This record gives sequence, structure tokens and C-alpha cells, in this order.
Amino acid sequence: SYELTQPPSVSVSPGQTATITCYGGKLGDKYACWYQQKPGQSPVLVIYQDTQRPSGIPERFSGSHSGNAATLTISGTQAMDEADYYCQAWDSSTVLFGGGTKLTVL
Amino acid sequence: EVQLVESGGGLVKPGGSLRLSCAASGFTFSNYKMNWVRQAPGKGLEWVSSISLSSTSMYYADSVKGRFTISRDNSKRSLFLQMNSLRVEDTAVYYCVPIGITYDAFDYWGQGTMVTVSS
Repeated sequence: SYELTQPPSVSVSPGQTATITCYGGKLGDKYACWYQQKPGQSPVLVIYQDTQRPSGIPERFSGSHSGNAATLTISGTQAMDEADYYCQAWDSSTVLFGGGTKLTVL
Repeated sequence: EVQLVESGGGLVKPGGSLRLSCAASGFTFSNYKMNWVRQAPGKGLEWVSSISLSSTSMYYADSVKGRFTISRDNSKRSLFLQMNSLRVEDTAVYYCVPIGITYDAFDYWGQGTMVTVSS
């Protein structure tokens, strides 16, 4: 098994680009997903299969993957993007979540 | 519209038991692998367990192995989690989550049910 590691917090100014990177020892050969969770709400899928954006998710959300790192990028960050973000991947028959990153839009 | 309604949460003493249920609608329940994911207060998401389409395979996180049992009833479109020997650290919101209804991910989440383990 392996772990997924994310920074606990990231801060960004409105209109700027936010990047959250998730590291995992075996992430290189796995797809990563990303979830957004706002206070008091259930998580929402924002990226799947490393780079794919579900219908209804704004284009400013994008994902990438290089080696053992997956990255969520939010371009032109808006105040409404302030939330916790979690990366997720599969490890054989189990599921891993990163510890979560609190994105603050200052 | 996909709906997942979890129930069965509540307050239980350490060492006690609880059975969670999830009623699913809006998709062909029997066609999808189902999972339980939990979130302790102020903490991150933690995968708990998964079950295959016809209940032939079940998987558990190490933290609950031997204490929790996942099951499903496809005829009733329902998912269950039997939780025994509960510990304080099992306190969390428990979500019932399918995989891959629309996208290859946890693409639909219910509101969850709160389990509190406390003396």
C-alpha cells in the first residue's frame, strides 16, 4: 500500500492560479481524481482520470499527472472556489484519499 | 436523478453496534460497485469498505477489518454496513458512494449519516 500526500493548505488571491499537488509512491501508474468539499456539504467530483472534467464543472478546473504526482489547477480562482480539496486513487482493491488541502482565497 | 439516502446513524457507547443503511435510486443499483466512505469531524475523507456487484467480493480498510461488514440487497436497492465493537475513533459521517455511474470515480454522494461513539 502507499499514501497520498497533499499540502494542508494553499492560499491564492482572487483571479490568480491555485495549484494543489498530490504525491503518492505508486501514483505513477494510477489515475487520480479530485473532490471539492465546502463546509457542511458532501464532496463533489471535479476531476477524474487525471485530467477529465465532469459536466457542470467550470473550465477553470484542470488536472495533470506526471510521475508520482497529480496536480489540480484552478485558473482565475474565484471566492466560491474556497473549499477543501481531496485527491483520490485506487490501490489494487482499496481506495486511497489524500489528507485534504484547504484552499483559501484571500 | 441519482439519490443516495443514508440512515441508521446515532449515538452508541464504545463496544456497541450499529447498522447503517443506504437507499439508492435513480440508477441500476445492481450494476455498480458500492462503497462506504467516512469523515471524522474536522478531518479528511477515509474509505471504509467496498462491495462488488453481486456481493462476491468485499474489501475493508485496515482500521475496520474484522469489526465492520458490508452487504447489499440488489432487490431492494440497498447497501448496508454492520458496525460492531465500535470505538471512539469510528465517530464520523458515513457516506454511501457508488463508483462509475457517469464517470470513473465517486461521482455521486449522499448527505451521509452521523455516527457518534461516546460513553
